[in-house]
Amino acid sequence: TQLLEQSPQFLSIQEGENLTVYCNSSSVFSSLQWYRQEPGEGPVLLVTVVTGGEVKKLKRLTFQFGDARKDSSLHITAAQPGDTGLYLCAGGDMRFGAGTRLTVKP
Amino acid sequence: DAGVIQSPRHEVTEMGQEVTLRCKPISGHDYLFWYRQTMMRGLELLIYFNNNVPIDDSGMPEDRFSAKMPNASFSTLKIQPSEPRDSAVYFCASSPTGWGEKLFFGSGTQLSVL
Repeated sequence: TQLLEQSPQFLSIQEGENLTVYCNSSSVFSSLQWYRQEPGEGPVLLVTVVTGGEVKKLKRLTFQFGDARKDSSLHITAAQPGDTGLYLCAGGDMRFGAGTRLTVKP
Repeated sequence: DAGVIQSPRHEVTEMGQEVTLRCKPISGHDYLFWYRQTMMRGLELLIYFNNNVPIDDSGMPEDRFSAKMPNASFSTLKIQPSEPRDSAVYFCASSPTGWGEKLFFGSGTQLSVL
């Protein structure tokens, strides 16, 4: 089992601020996924990264996969209240980290 | 496309009772996953199936938990007898090809065992 550690566990910021959350492991991953979960719903896939050093952008969200494929980060630019949710990373073995709970205040 | 359908949406039961959670995956998806989510333990993988066959049940907490997939369009997760510590949100997810591919989650079943 490949263990994923996410940090920070909780993050509360004001609208317009930038933020970065992290997903780390001691294991090498063939791929890594980021999901967002809103209250009362299941997680929804945001992105899959496969290649070491890969950077993917989804509007104001930037995802990076570490060169060694052991870690990943998610950066949000100019956060909005609609970004509020639980951000989860998952390895190729379909197991998830504990998540970062983000609150963006208007 | 109806997505992954779970029922019931909410279940309240008393300790010792049998609980059955149901899942209908997306048609054509070969993989089905059962997860449990709590604040303390996060989103835990309980078991997954490939083409209706259980592949890895190492996440099933104990013998009180069992899962079946009698056909490609239906799966159940059963807890017998239920205990208060089983209270959680249980999610079903399906995927076209499994490992490293996109998971499509249902809306979950909120289980409360009193």
